[in-house]
Amino acid sequence: DAGVIQSPRHEVTEMGQEVTLRCKPISGHDYLFWYRQTMMRGLELLIYFNNNVPIDDSGMPEDRFSAKMPNASFSTLKIQPSEPRDSAVYFCASRAPGTKNTEAFFGQGTRLTVV
Amino acid sequence: AQKVTQAQTEISVVEKEDVTLDCVYETRDTTYYLFWYKQPPSGELVFLIRRNSFDEQNEISGRYSWNFQKSTSSFNFTITASQVVDSAVYFCALSEEHNFNKFYFGSGTKLNVKP
Repeated sequence: DAGVIQSPRHEVTEMGQEVTLRCKPISGHDYLFWYRQTMMRGLELLIYFNNNVPIDDSGMPEDRFSAKMPNASFSTLKIQPSEPRDSAVYFCASRAPGTKNTEAFFGQGTRLTVV
Repeated sequence: AQKVTQAQTEISVVEKEDVTLDCVYETRDTTYYLFWYKQPPSGELVFLIRRNSFDEQNEISGRYSWNFQKSTSSFNFTITASQVVDSAVYFCALSEEHNFNKFYFGSGTKLNVKP
């Protein structure tokens, strides 16, 4: 199993530019999560999907952030326009269907720097 | 209020020492789930263990052991005979029965194991 795959691993962009982060969950997993990690706020859940449908986006910081999951094997997190305070590591995670106690498996993260 | 507290920000030990990482949680749910993740310097989050609230049995996996005590709302993690490769940030996380897809992460404990 290849695990959760995120791209790019690193992204440096200028303020005001659009940024798109990509994620391929583990095959067969029906939950997909986007997290953001910063020194100040730690790991925060931004949004999660179940069977490609957004279930809870209450963690999305503002309208500049949007996420989509067009199919079971692909999701994107878009920031438009980007700002320096968006600099963080963004993680995608997926979770298998079934019992409530199953763990989430994380990708390697995308380190975003907005200058 | 913090749902998961990891009071130890950073711990340094010398190789072969035993070390315990503390985790205290807070929840009103009677059913909940606890997790430990490891984040090595390479940045990915690696799942280590999960525990259900109704299973207080302690667990040992090689040099790793976990002590779950509902009476003190703690889920501590001990590494026996630490090795340099154990150097990482360790996160404790909680999810609750009523919203099991939302993981509350602690702020993490950075473990430095020196040769």
